[in-house]
Amino acid sequence: ETGVTQSPTHLIKTRGQQVTLRCSSQSGHNTVSWYQQALGQGPQFIFQYYREEENGRGNFPPRFSGLQFPNYSSELNVNALELDDSALYLCASSSGVNTGELFFGEGSRLTVL
Amino acid sequence: DAKTTQPNSMESNEEEPVHLPCNHSTISGTDYIHWYRQLPSQGPEYVIHGLTSNVNNRMASLAIAEDRKSSTLILHRATLRDAAVYYCILRSTTSGTYKYIFGTGTRLKVLA
Repeated sequence: ETGVTQSPTHLIKTRGQQVTLRCSSQSGHNTVSWYQQALGQGPQFIFQYYREEENGRGNFPPRFSGLQFPNYSSELNVNALELDDSALYLCASSSGVNTGELFFGEGSRLTVL
Repeated sequence: DAKTTQPNSMESNEEEPVHLPCNHSTISGTDYIHWYRQLPSQGPEYVIHGLTSNVNNRMASLAIAEDRKSSTLILHRATLRDAAVYYCILRSTTSGTYKYIFGTGTRLKVLA
C-alpha cells in the first residue's frame, strides 16, 4: 500500500507566476485536503475534496483553487503568486469525510521570489 | 471560526507521562477534537481524536473536559521518539462542509 505522495518536493517561482502542485492519495482514499504551512507556523486548512467536489474551504482567496480527479488524485493551483505564498504545502488523504485519521504527504516546498 | 490555544513548548523526562493541554473555549457541539504530531521535515501524523468521551489508543489517551472547552493529550510514557510538535485541531462541520482548524502547536522536548 503506497502512502500519500506529493510533487514536486521543492520549487521556486517568481511573484505573479502560477504554480500547480500534485498529490496522489493513499490507495482506497476518496477524500483529499490541502494545507499551507508557513515556516515556524502550524498548517492552515485550504480546502477539501470529496469524490471530485470541493466540500470545505478555509480562509484563502479564490486564486487558490483545486481539482480532484476520478482516481482521487488532486491538484492545488495558485495564481498570481505573492511573496507570502512561500510555504510548505501539505496534502492529506482519508477514506471518507467523517473518518478521523488523515494521512499526510511530506509536502511541496514553494519559494516565491 | 473556533480557535485552539496551546503552550508553545513543554519538556518531559523520558519514560514519564506527559500531559499536553489545549483550550478551545469557542468549540461548537459538532466539532471533533483531533491531535496530530509533526517531526522535522515530515508531514503531520495522526495521534488520536474524539468528540465528547475520553479516548484511548495505542499511542495516547485523550481527556476531554465535560464542557468540551479544553482537552488534554496524554502520552503515558514519553520516549525520545515522541519529541515533536503536537497540534490540537478542531474539525468543524457546517451543512456538510468541513474545516480543520489547527492550533499553533506545542513543541515537546523529551530529556534522556
